Amino acid sequence: RKEVEQDPGPFNVPEGATVAFNCTYSNSASQSFFWYRQDCRKEPKLLMSVYSSGNEDGRFTAQLNRASQYISLLIRDSKLSDSATYLCVVNMATGGFKTIFGAGTRLFVKA
Amino acid sequence: DVKVTQSSRYLVKRTGEKVFLECVQDMDHENMFWYRQDPGLGLRLIYFSYDVKMKEKGDIPEGYSVSREKKERFSLILESASTNQTSMYLCASAGAGGYTFGSGTRLTVV
Repeated sequence: RKEVEQDPGPFNVPEGATVAFNCTYSNSASQSFFWYRQDCRKEPKLLMSVYSSGNEDGRFTAQLNRASQYISLLIRDSKLSDSATYLCVVNMATGGFKTIFGAGTRLFVKA
Repeated sequence: DVKVTQSSRYLVKRTGEKVFLECVQDMDHENMFWYRQDPGLGLRLIYFSYDVKMKEKGDIPEGYSVSREKKERFSLILESASTNQTSMYLCASAGAGGYTFGSGTRLTVV
């Protein structure tokens, strides 16, 4: 089983739709969590951190469920410019410090 | 803003060549990383460094080596390039704000 798993998609949604991605992690020692966005042929960029209490940044909401070991990203009122790959990132303290990137979920927002 | 600069966006090299990929960051971060990214496999860690002259193997170090002679510079070396090393190579620097990636080097080995 992979340490961090994401549905690869692609998710094809119309503009204005609400879309949600989940990411599961296997190591309960995981300490911090992030969502990164990667545009086609570009580098990943930090989208938002994920806190236990959940956090929101405009149309984006991230949540963490430690009991079930998953994080989620909700995008409301999708825009064409949201089309990208969304990477789930998990930091673990396992003797040392380890960061695991998910393989990403592709999102296409259509007009 | 942290800036991570990779020396080349695109490279084409021949099998057996020695290849150097350079990465420079300007925020005095101690932590630097080299990843490769392939379709369906995501980001895989090759090597990382937590300090000058310090290096640690990541998940796929075979066929690669690294050099960190100065804090701001972390170089990835392909000792003898092979076609299975054709990939996108991403350098990253990490601090309290998370990872910042360079724009990547797309390497093709022919």
